[in-house]
Amino acid sequence: GAGVSQSPSNKVTEKGKDVELRCDPISGHTALYWYRQSLGQGLEFLIYFQGNSAPDKSGLPSDRFSAERTGGSVSTLTIQRTQQEDSAVYLCASSALTRGTDTQYFGPGTRLTVL
Amino acid sequence: AQSVTQLGSHVSVSEGALVLLRCNYSSSVPPYLFWYVQYPNQGLQLLLKYTSAATLVKGINGFEAEFKKSETSFHLTKPSAHMSDAAEYFCAVSPTGRRALTFGSGTRLQVQP
Repeated sequence: GAGVSQSPSNKVTEKGKDVELRCDPISGHTALYWYRQSLGQGLEFLIYFQGNSAPDKSGLPSDRFSAERTGGSVSTLTIQRTQQEDSAVYLCASSALTRGTDTQYFGPGTRLTVL
Repeated sequence: AQSVTQLGSHVSVSEGALVLLRCNYSSSVPPYLFWYVQYPNQGLQLLLKYTSAATLVKGINGFEAEFKKSETSFHLTKPSAHMSDAAEYFCAVSPTGRRALTFGSGTRLQVQP
């Protein structure tokens, strides 16, 4: 079946511009995660959505970052007034919540370059 | 806070040799532990996970890992390396009470012919 998809695969933007990154999770998965992978910081958790519950935003690095999940499916990560340190690969993952721990399935990522 | 430490940012082995990638965790309670692999320009793929059912966990592509509580370790091994194993490997922990993963810094595996 289809896996997690992300778009665009690459995004180049100028400092100060806003960007939107999209994630389509696996159908039926109720949990969705955003992570950031950068050279200096490794893999970092950003935000987590679970069903209709309030999202866990504890990993967002600043108020320039926000995310929403519409209809319990597609999610958009928005970065306002981008800075050069925002350059990274943004990874999305989804999982089917089960008892115990759930396996997270990752998309291919969006490579963001801020000039 | 729970965390994982991966010893060795780069590991090089010969084709056919044993692969050993080290991961140590810090946790006051048994955590959930994972190994993911990332091939160039691709997302993360789950190799295996520990969920307290068994201390020796077998994963895909011939990899396995052993949970050792006394050593707080979850090292990844493969008896015989293949050229296709060249990739970056990440150990991760699922902190108690939160489902988001905390990743180690990664180990890049190079396989020499």
